[in-house]
Amino acid sequence: DVKVTQSSRYLVKRTGEKVFLECVQDMDHENMFWYRQDPGLGLRLIYFSYDVKMKEKGDIPEGYSVSREKKERFSLILESASTNQTSMYLCASSRPRVEQYFGPGTRLTVT
Amino acid sequence: AQSVTQLDSQVPVFEEAPVELRCNYSSSVSVYLFWYVQYPNQGLQLLLKYLSGSTLVKGINGFEAEFNKSQTSFHLRKPSVHISDTAEYFCAVNMNSGYSTLTFGKGTMLLVSP
Repeated sequence: DVKVTQSSRYLVKRTGEKVFLECVQDMDHENMFWYRQDPGLGLRLIYFSYDVKMKEKGDIPEGYSVSREKKERFSLILESASTNQTSMYLCASSRPRVEQYFGPGTRLTVT
Repeated sequence: AQSVTQLDSQVPVFEEAPVELRCNYSSSVSVYLFWYVQYPNQGLQLLLKYLSGSTLVKGINGFEAEFNKSQTSFHLRKPSVHISDTAEYFCAVNMNSGYSTLTFGKGTMLLVSP
């Protein structure tokens, strides 16, 4: 089975802190994705990566950056966390043009 | 711009009743279609997918969906629901792009009561 793991299930950070969310997949997938999920808004794509060191902006990249130094790992970085970044963050991975596999999510609270 | 519309934000239903969750998309090109389920405090799990071939697709947990190209719809159905089907359901579309990016609907909460 494909496994996508995320470094934390719950995280509480203060405004202005730098936050790292880590995602690891074990199926050698080329593509990796970061989404945020908010009630009534569904999933919105923040960034994705189709290869090591490659990244593309999604629909809502402002306030976020990403890093993909190794194929299995995709990190989401909040340079200076703000309260409006309180959300559920979901990581996913896939081969090209097929279904995505999701991690369990990280619920981030910024106070 | 591509979009996915899930017409109902919440669907209440009694146990053992049939259910249909509706999904419509806007696209002028061929698409791949997916339904995902999310149980509380978990990630998304793939229920079923349409890539090509038969327009009736069967998935896990007794769910099925029908791709209707002329109506640009991909409605999800189950003939008899269980309490354990209570969850949020997301329809997603890939517009046949090389990057496998998905556009998601806003979700439908299925509430099954005894």
